[in-house]
Amino acid sequence: DAKTTQPPSMDCAEGRAANLPCNHSTISGNEYVYWYRQIHSQGPQYIIHGLKNNETNEMASLIITEDRKSSTLILPHATLRDTAVYYCIVRSYNTDKLIFGTGTRLQVFP
Amino acid sequence: EPEVTQTPSHQVTQMGQEVILRCVPISNHLYFYWYRQILGQKVEFLVSFYNNEISEKSEIFDDQFSVERPDGSNFTLKIRSTKLEDSAMYFCASRDRKSNQPQHFGDGTRLSIL
Repeated sequence: DAKTTQPPSMDCAEGRAANLPCNHSTISGNEYVYWYRQIHSQGPQYIIHGLKNNETNEMASLIITEDRKSSTLILPHATLRDTAVYYCIVRSYNTDKLIFGTGTRLQVFP
Repeated sequence: EPEVTQTPSHQVTQMGQEVILRCVPISNHLYFYWYRQILGQKVEFLVSFYNNEISEKSEIFDDQFSVERPDGSNFTLKIRSTKLEDSAMYFCASRDRKSNQPQHFGDGTRLSIL
């Protein structure tokens, strides 16, 4: 089963920052946090990943708490095209598979 | 930007027939995967493949399923005798050699079993 907990849904106004939380209280020291999103029934799209430091790329920022038990994905200026299901995944160190939960359905409205 | 490509985008097959789903992973990636998503359900891991061998598989990946890398660019999933419950989106993914690198997914093949 997924090792993360996410709210089932969130809304965000277009142009505002979308902050998507994720709890992963049982994460181990060498396990990474990955974020993906799925727009309609397309393939999961990789967004960002991190171990313990905050990360930023052209799509988003990832803030990981100091104790690593939770993280937040930030889309700085949400657009309508960011409407999707967002998955926070902790990949166990001893396996290569990704275990998808139900994610957070983000609805960006005009 | 390099991407994983999958063909066909939609496959319709009669129950009991064999089907082969095709994927071209990102070049220079060494790890390959298949996942599936039944309509309205979660994305589920099927199998991972590295160095011409299956490295991990799920309970779903039974004897009816097989994977192959027939040449340097393609990665295929074969379902030997399809069942109605095999109807799903099938996603191929690949990743680079470093262990923490992310998997990149294709846009999937919608498999419909009649």
